[in-house]
Amino acid sequence: GEDVEQSLFLSVREGDSSVINCTYTDSSSTYLYWYKQEPGAGLQLLTYIFSNMDMKQDQRLTVLLNKKDKHLSLRIADTQTGDSAIYFCAETSGYSTLTFGKGTMLLVSP
Amino acid sequence: EAQVTQNPRYLITVTGKKLTVTCSQNMNHEYMSWYRQDPGLGLRQIYYSMNVEVTDKGDVPEGYKVSRKEKRNFPLILESPSPNQTSLYFCASSLQGQGEETQYFGPGTRLLVL
Repeated sequence: GEDVEQSLFLSVREGDSSVINCTYTDSSSTYLYWYKQEPGAGLQLLTYIFSNMDMKQDQRLTVLLNKKDKHLSLRIADTQTGDSAIYFCAETSGYSTLTFGKGTMLLVSP
Repeated sequence: EAQVTQNPRYLITVTGKKLTVTCSQNMNHEYMSWYRQDPGLGLRQIYYSMNVEVTDKGDVPEGYKVSRKEKRNFPLILESPSPNQTSLYFCASSLQGQGEETQYFGPGTRLLVL
């Protein structure tokens, strides 16, 4: 089946930029997503990018897509302690059946 | 407030005792879905429904049943739970199941099967 891979852990200092990376195998992926999960909570959609785009910016978040390499990244500028959470990359090739990565735990230290 | 609700939030049960986890959304969404989240495995889809009376298997449907008799509700049924179904379960919904739509997730149900 299709696969989505992420690094498991990232630690940064408050104020630094964080970059979370994701690779996927489905060449027919049309939408790629970043979700955030805070402890004890459900998933919150942060942003998504359509496969014909290579970049999307939304306030402190920048998503970069390299479709040729099937590589997606999420950059969080000026990372805050409140950004500490698990971040999931996900993709779909059409309807909302999402394939998720295993999640990257981001730890932001003061 | 637009939301997806799940009940119960926490459940401890024993092997073989049938249980139902309810999911309800108040956004008139057509698409609803169940996921399970396990450490080191991320989220995996169990079942999904494109509309009333239309359901289909996801990646890990074994041991689960669902029904979609009404648009707002999508219960997950474990007829004979086993310890390997101990997990964190999420229900989700979106308007029509299209990729550009926001998928709303419930708060999760933590299940322990002894």
